[in-house]
Amino acid sequence: AQSVTQLDSQVPVFEEAPVELRCNYSSSVSVYLFWYVQYPNQGLQLLLKYLSGSTLVKGINGFEAEFNKSQTSFHLRKPSVHISDTAEYFCAVSYKAAGNKLTFGGGTRVLVKP
Amino acid sequence: EAGVTQSPTHLIKTRGQQATLRCSPISGHTSVYWYQQALGLGLQFLLWYDEGEERNRGNFPPRFSGRQFPNYSSELNVNALELEDSALYLCASSLLRHWNYGYTFGSGTRLTVV
Repeated sequence: AQSVTQLDSQVPVFEEAPVELRCNYSSSVSVYLFWYVQYPNQGLQLLLKYLSGSTLVKGINGFEAEFNKSQTSFHLRKPSVHISDTAEYFCAVSYKAAGNKLTFGGGTRVLVKP
Repeated sequence: EAGVTQSPTHLIKTRGQQATLRCSPISGHTSVYWYQQALGLGLQFLLWYDEGEERNRGNFPPRFSGRQFPNYSSELNVNALELEDSALYLCASSLLRHWNYGYTFGSGTRLTVV
């Protein structure tokens, strides 16, 4: 069964510092990978996605992620965070064989400190 | 373009009662997905509907059910409510043929069972 592991449940970071959120998935077949952000009391918003092609994917709000097939990872990065980046971030994976279902990681809560 | 809309925003029910949650997808989207986000349990896949049919179901008991209407809106019904059903229920939609582009989520219905 497919699974997604987000290695850090919480990441405190100072404003203007870089941040990396780690995500690993379990699969040996082709996958589609996503990062979503959830601000307090809101739904999920798509940050970026990897479908194919270049392994470095750029998303909204200055975020980017790198797909590494050999390490089955899809880590999310931002070179300089803002207070407004305080939110929960979810990595997700889908496999066509799984019938369109998105499987989510447990989430990483990012707290940006002034 | 209107996003995915869910109603009600909040719902308080007593244990044993039934809850009905509603979702309107983005115009033109035929697929609707339901997820449960319970405290400490992350996002759990509940149901996927497309063209009025249930296409996939997560590991939830039969008292969780739903349907999709001809206009592609959807209902999630939870019967015989239990305290542990308290959660944020998120609905998402996508075009079936573009499912791998990611889902668009609504803001959710927060169900509290007392």
